[in-house]
Amino acid sequence: SSELTQDPTVSVALGQTVRITCQGDSLRRYYASWYQQKPGQAPLLLIYGNNNRPLGIPDRFSGSTSGNTASLTITGTQAEDEADYYCNSRDSNGNLLGDFGGGTKLTVL
Amino acid sequence: QVHLEESGPRLVKPSETLSLACSVSDGSLSGYYWSWVRQPPGKGLEYIGDIYYSGSTNYNPSLKSRVTISVDTSTNQFSLNMNSVTAADTAIYYCARADRSGWYGYFDNWGRGTLVTVSS
Repeated sequence: SSELTQDPTVSVALGQTVRITCQGDSLRRYYASWYQQKPGQAPLLLIYGNNNRPLGIPDRFSGSTSGNTASLTITGTQAEDEADYYCNSRDSNGNLLGDFGGGTKLTVL
Repeated sequence: QVHLEESGPRLVKPSETLSLACSVSDGSLSGYYWSWVRQPPGKGLEYIGDIYYSGSTNYNPSLKSRVTISVDTSTNQFSLNMNSVTAADTAIYYCARADRSGWYGYFDNWGRGTLVTVSS
């Protein structure tokens, strides 16, 4: 089972800032990557490593870590940001890709 | 941008073997990890395993006894075999390109996914 914990649901008003969190002991030493998934689509990489964004990802998406908690922050949330968000990081066996959080459903009000 | 596409049977009988292939185009297998991730309907993502282009593998411990991932650099494909399937293995199966670097890993390119149903 996953050792990364995410809130199942989060809501945010259009244009506001929202933080989606991912908790786990591995995050004290290892970075999380973050994925956005819209209905019927494959996940999309948003953030990896120390707040790195792939080409084409808007800069309103940012990542950070404090203690055992990784956060994905969306600044100026858009309607199209309504989606499921997943974190991924190292599992207890040392696999840097091995563990996904349970996901957070973001609703934009 | 590398393109990945899953192929294989969409319906598998219980106790049989699920076999999927992922074709990689517009890019080489070299230097990356080639992965399988699944998602049961309405649920979250689950890492299955990955293979480096040279052939070394990593598996989810909970699936390791039933899963084999292989790579064929001559055809730019990699494959997933999962034996003794049950209804719990019904899911969308994604193939993805991944990388690892010191303190982090990530999946940067994904196939569209294919729904595999386990049913008699």
